[in-house]
Amino acid sequence: GAVVSQHPSRVICKSGTSVKIECRSLDFQATTMFWYRQFPKQSLMLMATSNEGSKATYEQGVEKDKFLINHASLTLSTLTVTSAHPEDSSFYICSARDISRQHPGYTFGSGTRLTVV
Amino acid sequence: KNEVEQSPQNLTAQEGEFITINCSYSVGISALHWLQQHPGGGIVSLFMLSSGKKKHGRLIATINIQEKHSSLHITASHPRDSAVYICAVGGNDMRFGAGTRLTVKP
Repeated sequence: GAVVSQHPSRVICKSGTSVKIECRSLDFQATTMFWYRQFPKQSLMLMATSNEGSKATYEQGVEKDKFLINHASLTLSTLTVTSAHPEDSSFYICSARDISRQHPGYTFGSGTRLTVV
Repeated sequence: KNEVEQSPQNLTAQEGEFITINCSYSVGISALHWLQQHPGGGIVSLFMLSSGKKKHGRLIATINIQEKHSSLHITASHPRDSAVYICAVGGNDMRFGAGTRLTVKP
C-alpha cells in the first residue's frame, strides 16, 4: 500500500534555531501534501496545503515566514520551522494524496515530535 | 460548534466488547475518514467512506450522508485496539474531530 515516510521522528532543538522536517511519498506521486500540527490532547489542525511546484496555501493564523514549506518534487515536501521557540513544541504530521487514486485518498506520515528548549 | 463532533470523548471497555464510536459533521463532504492514532503519535488511515459501509477485519465503518453521521464499530475488542480514533471530513482541507480515546482492558 501507499507509504509516506516522515523524518525525523523526534527532534530537540535550541530556541532560535531552525528545524527541517521531511515528508516523502515512497511508492506514489503526490501533487498535494498537507501539514498538520497537534498539541497535547488536542485534535490535528491543518497548517498548510503544499502543492508541487507552487507556493503553499497556509491556514489562517499560521505564519508563512515561520513555517516554510517547500514541495519541489512529486515525492517530497519539507516543513522548516524557523527561529523556533518553545511554544512551537508540538507534534507535526504530514499526509499525502495519491494523484493516481490507486491507493486510499490520504496517507499519513508517522509524525515528528518537536521539542524546543 | 465544531464542524466535526465525535462521541464519546473517552471510552473504556473490557476485552471482547463491541465498541461504537460516533461522528457527526455539519459541512458538506466528499469523503469521511476514520483514523487511528497510537500513543507514539503515528496515524493510520482505517477507512475512507463516501457512502454505505466498509469492513476490514474486526472494524466496520458506516456513513449516512443524509443524516451527516458516521459510526466506527470494533467487534471483539482487544487491548491492542487501544488508541485514539479520529474522524475527519473533507477533501483537500480535511477537518478533524477531537478524537475518541479508547482503552480496552484485558
